[in-house]
Amino acid sequence: GAVVSQHPSWVICKSGTSVKIECRSLDFQATTMFWYRQFPKQSLMLMATSNEGSKATYEQGVEKDKFLINHASLTLSTLTVTSAHPEDSSFYICSASLVRSGANYGYTFGSGTRLTVV
Amino acid sequence: DQQVKQNSPSLSVQEGRISILNCDYTNSMFDYFLWYKKYPAEGPTFLISISSIKDKNEDGRFTVFLNKSAKHLSLHIVPSQPGDSAVYFCAASASGNTPLVFGKGTRLSVIA
Repeated sequence: GAVVSQHPSWVICKSGTSVKIECRSLDFQATTMFWYRQFPKQSLMLMATSNEGSKATYEQGVEKDKFLINHASLTLSTLTVTSAHPEDSSFYICSASLVRSGANYGYTFGSGTRLTVV
Repeated sequence: DQQVKQNSPSLSVQEGRISILNCDYTNSMFDYFLWYKKYPAEGPTFLISISSIKDKNEDGRFTVFLNKSAKHLSLHIVPSQPGDSAVYFCAASASGNTPLVFGKGTRLSVIA
């Protein structure tokens, strides 16, 4: 089945540094990648939608200059948390939708990245 | 404004009994609904889905029921097993290439 490989699975960084999270679709082309964030005991909240070759669309309240999303190819999307602060500590997950001829065949998720900013 | 609601943050069920997890939604454009199981520090694991043209979908011990008029769906797990203990998320999407909207999750504990 369709697999999205996400790494790193966990990262600890110092406040003020940047962290890059990668999501690769292994056996399919992900034209769209969704990026979610989950705080403890909260739901998965959509941060942004990235489409291959175009600018990402950010949800309200998500700073596009802080969370840089790049989707340069059909198999790779990256999320860079710039100048990370402790409040950015969260669980970040990518997801690709499996769409053929306009029909949605489901979603596949990466395994998530636990970011801790100290 | 929460479009997908799971009003029970937790549920405890005895092993062998039925677990019923509930979910309500408000967006009438949603036509595809999914249930995911999630462990801490892991990505969600797909369990079962249902499209709006159906009112029931069954897969082994898992059955999802959809009541479109009430904008309500439920996940039934029977018989419940201790390995089912996890957080269960209800999610919904509209047609095409749209993101999933998740509920807040229900923590299921199956007691042996």
